[in-house]
Parts: sequence; C-alpha cells; structure tokens
Amino acid sequence: GENVEQHPSTLSVQEGDSAVIKCTYSDSASNYFPWYKQELGKRPQLIIDIRSNVGEKKDQRIAVTLNKTAKHFSLHITETQPEDSAVYFCAASSRAGGNQFYFGTGTSLTVIP
Amino acid sequence: NAGVTQTPKFRILKIGQSMTLQCTQDMNHNYMYWYRQDPGMGLKLIYYSVGAGITDKGEVPNGYNVSRSTTEDFPLRLELAAPSQTSVYFCASSQKTGLGSGEQFFGPGTRLTVL
Repeated sequence: GENVEQHPSTLSVQEGDSAVIKCTYSDSASNYFPWYKQELGKRPQLIIDIRSNVGEKKDQRIAVTLNKTAKHFSLHITETQPEDSAVYFCAASSRAGGNQFYFGTGTSLTVIP
Repeated sequence: NAGVTQTPKFRILKIGQSMTLQCTQDMNHNYMYWYRQDPGMGLKLIYYSVGAGITDKGEVPNGYNVSRSTTEDFPLRLELAAPSQTSVYFCASSQKTGLGSGEQFFGPGTRLTVL
C-alpha cells in the first residue's frame, strides 16, 4: 500500500515568516494530494488540494507544489499569522488504490507573535 | 446541509463491552470512511466504503466491523472493547469523481475511552 512521510513533525516560525511542510509518497498511482488543518479538539479541515495533472496550486497565502517524478509535495504558507498555528496533515489517494486516503503523521506549526 | 454527523460525541466503555458509533452524511456522497486518531498521531483508516453494500478493510480493521446498507449511513461496530481502542474516531465522506475521490468532509469525531 501507499506510504506517506511528512516532515518536520514540529515547526516554529515568527509571525510574518513563511512555513514549508514536505511530504513524500511511495505509490506512483496516487493522483490526489490534499492538505488538512486540524485545530486542537476539532475535526480536520481541507485547506488546499492538488491533483497529479497540476504542478502547483495557490490560494491566497497558501500554496501546494507537486513533483511527480520525485514523489513529493509541499505546503507553503506565506506571511504566517498566529491563527495559522495548528497541526497540518498531508494525504495521498488514488483510484487504483480503492480511493483510500493515506495520511502523514502531521506537523505541529506554531506561529510566534 | 448538516454535512457529516456522528454520535455520540463522547463515550466511556468497560473492557469487553460493545458499542456502535453512528455516522450519517446528507451530501449523497458515494465514499465513506472511518478513521481513528490516537493522541499526537495522524489518521489511520479502519474501514471504508465506495457505495451502499460495499465495504473494505483499511490499515487497522481488527476489532471493528462496519456495514453500509444505505448511501447515508455508515455505522462502526466495536465488539469486545479493549484499552487499545481508546482513541478519537472520525467518520468522513467524499464524492466520486472521474479522477477518483473528491474532497473529504469529516464529522466532528467521537472520543472513546475504554477502561
């Protein structure tokens, strides 16, 4: 099955700086890569996603890049704000894999005011 | 739309007891999933379903059972609860697209403690 690895496990940045979280996957059939934000005690919420036919996607301060050859994808948050503090999860899914989602182990982001 | 709803929100079980976690979605999604999330960890897939009458095992199915008799409902059954099943359980759903799955929507979670 698919194996998704996520780094770093914790990340602290000063407010206004950028944050980058990286994930790698093992199954070349994976074609959908969502990123979720989870605040303490809450459910995961989708913040951005990308499909394998696209190399980059941006939504205001958040962007995701995908390198299919190297099998890795990254989340970029610019101009970080204290409310960006949360745990972020990457995931990978493929139709060939029965549309299961495989999650990374999460990155705890702290934005220091 | 209520989205994905789960009941109960919290539950304490004694070792050996059984219970059913309920999950309902009102978005007419084909795909439904059950995950568990242990403290400080990611989500592990327990079972999933691509449509009514079809279920498949995920990464950690032992000790659990599911059924999918309707599009809306996907209950998770715990038989003979064990302390290792103490976790937060999330149900999720997504729509089938031409490229596979679309966005997953999560329920609010059920916090289960087995003592």
